[in-house]
Amino acid sequence: NAGVIQTPRHKVTGKGQEATLWCEPISGHSAVFWYRQTIVQGLEFLTYFRNQAPIDDSGMPKERFSAQMPNQSHSTLKIQSTQPQDSAVYLCASSRDWGGGTQYFGPGTRLLVL
Amino acid sequence: GDKVKQSPSALSLQEGTNSALRCNFSIAATTVQWFLQNPRGSLINLFYLVPGTKENGRLKSAFDSKESYSTLHIRDAQLEDSGTYFCAAEAGGSNAKLTFGKGTKLSVKS
Repeated sequence: NAGVIQTPRHKVTGKGQEATLWCEPISGHSAVFWYRQTIVQGLEFLTYFRNQAPIDDSGMPKERFSAQMPNQSHSTLKIQSTQPQDSAVYLCASSRDWGGGTQYFGPGTRLLVL
Repeated sequence: GDKVKQSPSALSLQEGTNSALRCNFSIAATTVQWFLQNPRGSLINLFYLVPGTKENGRLKSAFDSKESYSTLHIRDAQLEDSGTYFCAAEAGGSNAKLTFGKGTKLSVKS
């Protein structure tokens, strides 16, 4: 069991560029979550999928952020026209049961927007 | 205000001593999870709780949904317990998203 895999581990982009972050959940897990962590805001929920269907994206900044889960083995978080305030650690988590349960986190992608 | 309030925000312990961390919820928490973020940044799940208590080695956690709080007790603190502890609540229904507290930064010294 490799755990939740996130790539890349570090990404540096220039202001206005696009960033795509990848997450591979634990095999057999039916729920996938995205969070981000900053010093100021702490850990914040962004969005989550249940059996690949989007359930709640209430934490996503509406204009430039989007997330997809095209198959059960990976999810992507895309940020268009990145801004310095998007700099954060983006964390992906998965849980076995779609209705809740222990969430297992990946190592995160540290995004720096210059 | 914060939906999940953790206290204390920071704590320094001598090796071998005991401590308690606390979370108070202003949302209707139905389940609670406790995590340790180690110095490398990895979030490690310590407990998943429905109302009640759980114990694992030197750690013991309790969740009281009626009084809206949860505690994490650390017994005989060791150097490797250092890191930031987060609690997070699920507000129930069919939505499994977590709302996190700001964390307690624990430093264990020899």
